[in-house]
Amino acid sequence: QKEVEQNSGPLSVPEGAIASLNCTYSDRGSQSFFWYRQYSGKSPELIMSIYSNGDKEDGRFTAQLNKASQYVSLLIRDSQPSDSATYLCAVNARGTYKYIFGTGTRLKVLA
Amino acid sequence: GAGVSQSPSNKVTEKGKDVELRCDPISGHTALYWYRQSLGQGLEFLIYFQGNSAPDKSGLPSDRFSAERTGGSVSTLTIQRTQQEDSAVYLCASSEGWRLGANEKLFFGSGTQLSVL
Repeated sequence: QKEVEQNSGPLSVPEGAIASLNCTYSDRGSQSFFWYRQYSGKSPELIMSIYSNGDKEDGRFTAQLNKASQYVSLLIRDSQPSDSATYLCAVNARGTYKYIFGTGTRLKVLA
Repeated sequence: GAGVSQSPSNKVTEKGKDVELRCDPISGHTALYWYRQSLGQGLEFLIYFQGNSAPDKSGLPSDRFSAERTGGSVSTLTIQRTQQEDSAVYLCASSEGWRLGANEKLFFGSGTQLSVL
């Protein structure tokens, strides 16, 4: 079992719709969770982080964490073509600075 | 510096040659990370440094790979006797390194595209 799992996609959504990206992790003791966005040919950039169960909202982005189910998700409201990218889920290994990344989900927002 | 700097941006080498990849982190960042990303794949963890020490080298694929960091700043990733499967983008990232598990944001460099012929 991979430490961090994501559906590779592509996930296609129409412009203006909600995009839902999901991630599961295997280490129950993981404490910090991150979503990075990576445009083709570019480096990843952080868009959201979450540490507590529940929802965290930042503009059009909402991160959701359920530690009991070992599940973290990212919702993008009012999706725009500029949101088309690969979204990487990252998990902070317990007690360390080690960040494990999933393989990413490719999102395509159709104009 | 203003951001994480990596050099070279592109490296083409012949199978069997050694290569060195350099990373200059953001000034003051004590944590430094190396990841590898193959075409269309996610980020594969290689190694991270806290200061000059590497608490976790578990991601290094083989003993042909080594890394060091000096002066708590610049890091070098060395690949000896390169193989074609080493071809990938090697990404370096740094973070402040003192807020474990809290708002610890990774800043990535532009990467080194390594091609082994």
